[in-house]
Formats: sequence, C-alpha cells, structure tokens
Amino acid sequence: AQSVTQPDIHITVSEGASLELRCNYSYGATPYLFWYVQSPGQGLQLLLKYFSGDTLVQGIKGFEAEFKRSQSSFNLRKPSVHWSDAAEYFCAVGAPYNTDKLIFGTGTRLQVFP
Amino acid sequence: EPEVTQTPSHQVTQMGQEVILRCVPISNHLYFYWYRQILGQKVEFLVSFYNNEISEKSEIFDDQFSVERPDGSNFTLKIRSTKLEDSAMYFCASSEVAQPQHFGDGTRLSIL
Repeated sequence: AQSVTQPDIHITVSEGASLELRCNYSYGATPYLFWYVQSPGQGLQLLLKYFSGDTLVQGIKGFEAEFKRSQSSFNLRKPSVHWSDAAEYFCAVGAPYNTDKLIFGTGTRLQVFP
Repeated sequence: EPEVTQTPSHQVTQMGQEVILRCVPISNHLYFYWYRQILGQKVEFLVSFYNNEISEKSEIFDDQFSVERPDGSNFTLKIRSTKLEDSAMYFCASSEVAQPQHFGDGTRLSIL
C-alpha cells in the first residue's frame, strides 16, 4: 500500500534562510508526487508536481523539489524563505494507472521568524 | 485563474441531522473528489467521481455518505445522519484528467 512520511512536524527558519522539507514515500513503482501548501483558513494550493522526466521540478513561489528514486524521496526546497511562506506543507502521492486518489503525508508546519 | 468553490465555508449541524456540502468544480474538469481533514490529522480521501458515477471510495465513505452531480456545475456531498466524528474540514477537488487535483478552500463542518 502507498504511504507518505513527512518526518518533520514543525520547522522554524529565519526569513532569508534556505529551506528543505522532507518527504519519503512507499510505493512499488514510480508514483506521481505533489507538494501542496495550506495557509491558515485556506484550502490546499498545488505548489508543484512530478509525473516523469526531469527529476528536479520547479513550482510556484520559488519552490523546487527533487525526486530521488533511490531514496524514495521528494524533498521540497526554497533557497530563501519569505515570511509569507509560513504555512502547512503537505506531500502527496498518487499511483498512476491504479487509483486516482491522493495519499497525503501528515504535513510540516513552517514557521518563519523575521 | 479558475478555482474550485465550496459553500458554505462553515456549517454547524446537530448530531443526527442531514448535511449537504456543495462544490462548484472548475468548469472543464471531468474528475471530482471529496477529501476530509479531521483537526490535527492528515488529509484523507473519501470518494472520486467520474462520468456520473463513483469511481473509487474509501472505507470512511460508508452508507451515510453520498455524492451527486445534480446539474452541469455542482458536485455535492451528503451526510445522511451526522455523527460527532464527522466534524472535520471537507475539501472538494477537481481535475481535467486524473492529476493534478485542484482543491477548494474547504467547508468546516462542526457537529454539536
């Protein structure tokens, strides 16, 4: 069965610092991979997605993520965090040709200090 | 940019009452979904809907739940007899093909 692990429940960074949020998945083949962001009181906004091809994907708001098959990981990165990036970040996995549903991780709450 | 719209943003209902949550998916999308997020927990899949029928449902989606696309624009989730444990944020999503899915802002359902 598919599963997603986000090992960091809460991360705090200073504004301008770099950021990496970790995501590991369990799936027998190469899944579809997503990062969503949820600001307080808001819905889930798609940051970026990986289906196939180039393993480094660019998303909105200056975020990028790298798919590493050997590590079953899809970590999210940003070189310089802004205060407005404070939110909850969810990694999600889809299983192509098998199911349409997304399996979400438990989320990482990002706090940004000025 | 087109959005998925959900109404109401907050619904308060007495236990045992029926509730209908409404969603207007993005207009050219063909796949529709409901997810829920109990406070402090992960987002969980409930059901997917395509071509006017349920394509997949989770074990959470029991006989108390139903979905409907009553017209060309709305997609609804009905809970027939609400329980306290149904209190959660309910998200509607839609997609043009199966992925990626675009989510609405959610309806917070509070059962008293």
